[in-house]
Amino acid sequence: VELVESGGGLVQPGRSLRLSCTGSGFIFGDYAMSWIRQAPGKGLEWVGYIRSKTYGGTTQYAASVKGRFTISRDDSKNIAYLQLNTLKTEDTGVYYCTRALGVLRFWGQGTLVTVSS
Amino acid sequence: DIQMTQSPSSLSASVGDRVAITCQASQDIKNDLNWYQQKPGKAPKLLIYDTSNLETGVPARFSGSGSGTHFTFFIRSLQPEDIATYYCQQYYDLPRTFGQGTKVEI
Repeated sequence: VELVESGGGLVQPGRSLRLSCTGSGFIFGDYAMSWIRQAPGKGLEWVGYIRSKTYGGTTQYAASVKGRFTISRDDSKNIAYLQLNTLKTEDTGVYYCTRALGVLRFWGQGTLVTVSS
Repeated sequence: DIQMTQSPSSLSASVGDRVAITCQASQDIKNDLNWYQQKPGKAPKLLIYDTSNLETGVPARFSGSGSGTHFTFFIRSLQPEDIATYYCQQYYDLPRTFGQGTKVEI
């Protein structure tokens, strides 16, 4: 199992960014995918998840990002996306994708998002 | 939201010491608790799932116990490679929440 995030970078407050998480080594469409973030020098914060299509592909989000962030998936490409809109400086951090909903057994290496003017 | 209160926030121990980290949930989470290890610049690594189950490939010096609202993570004999920050995480309810982390030093 391998998960690789991409799409991070420096972005101004109020702008948007889309992160990608490409999975391999497993049947991507069979699994829910979660996003976790970590501000510099801080702890881990759950961002949200998307269930597999078998379970409706439904999404859930942390209150801090609800309405601004959107998780989607393209199972034909083995990619989960995290669309970050209306970014704030406090969204700065490393964003990790993980497989599954509860027991987070597999993690990507993370991608750094820096929100700054 | 379920609050996870982890303590201590940091500790210093010697090689060979037994280390204990506690995690208190603000409500009953049954056994839906995991423990992760994170080394600087790396992604977290699952060590213990469902309170007390050792993840495949993880050394047996790591263990976990508890239920309901009180949980404990142990390192039986601290090794130099165990220097890291450890986090508890509940998945009983949404949003998933993590403890604040415990930084373990030698």
